[in-house]
Amino acid sequence: QVQLVQSGAEVKKPGASVKVSCKASGYTFTGYYIHWVRQAPGQGLEWMGWINPNTGGTKYAQKFQGRVTMTRDTSISTAYMELNWLRSDDTAVYYCARSVGPAALDYWGQGTLVAVSS
Amino acid sequence: QSALTQPPSASGSPGQSVTISCTGTSSDVGGYNYVSWYQQHPGKVPKLMIYDVSKRPSGVPDRFSGSKSGNTASLTVSGLQAEDEADYYCSSYAGSNSPMVFGGGTKLTVL
Repeated sequence: QVQLVQSGAEVKKPGASVKVSCKASGYTFTGYYIHWVRQAPGQGLEWMGWINPNTGGTKYAQKFQGRVTMTRDTSISTAYMELNWLRSDDTAVYYCARSVGPAALDYWGQGTLVAVSS
Repeated sequence: QSALTQPPSASGSPGQSVTISCTGTSSDVGGYNYVSWYQQHPGKVPKLMIYDVSKRPSGVPDRFSGSKSGNTASLTVSGLQAEDEADYYCSSYAGSNSPMVFGGGTKLTVL
């Protein structure tokens, strides 16, 4: 069965970086884009970007350009999302999700809470 | 890219039907037949309910249906059940520069 398993919760100080991992299983990792979506406490979903695991190509939301980097390691079927220069308003649950088409995310990771606090 | 516009809340009684709207622009909802809807229960992971405007993934009840007219997409839940009470988010493809945008979410209450 398709599974996306994310790394555990993180607590970071403002200005630091965080790297969240997303390990895929149950399907061909290079066959589907991986998207990253975040959700601040009590707020809605916010799209951050995607990575094509086959080519390593990426597309980021304009809001995160220059601050986010998405990578992958095909040898271990794992995608990564690194966010730099963290601020308190980056406190959120970060999800990875597999896409089966434009804007269609069919399997999601369990989410990773990133808390940014001094 | 601005978020899609959804009503903050919607409600209906068990057995009734309710429709949630999702308004965008010709650059997203109106420009592509790539609108999806997600259901999220409190503390849970979002679940894909509708994609490509009106297609249902395997396992999603046919009580859930989607449609689109111009720049507005809609999710209709027929035969409301208690377990349908959740937050619903629409999303749309928005072109190659900023491929995906979400709506602000609608809290559906089953009275």
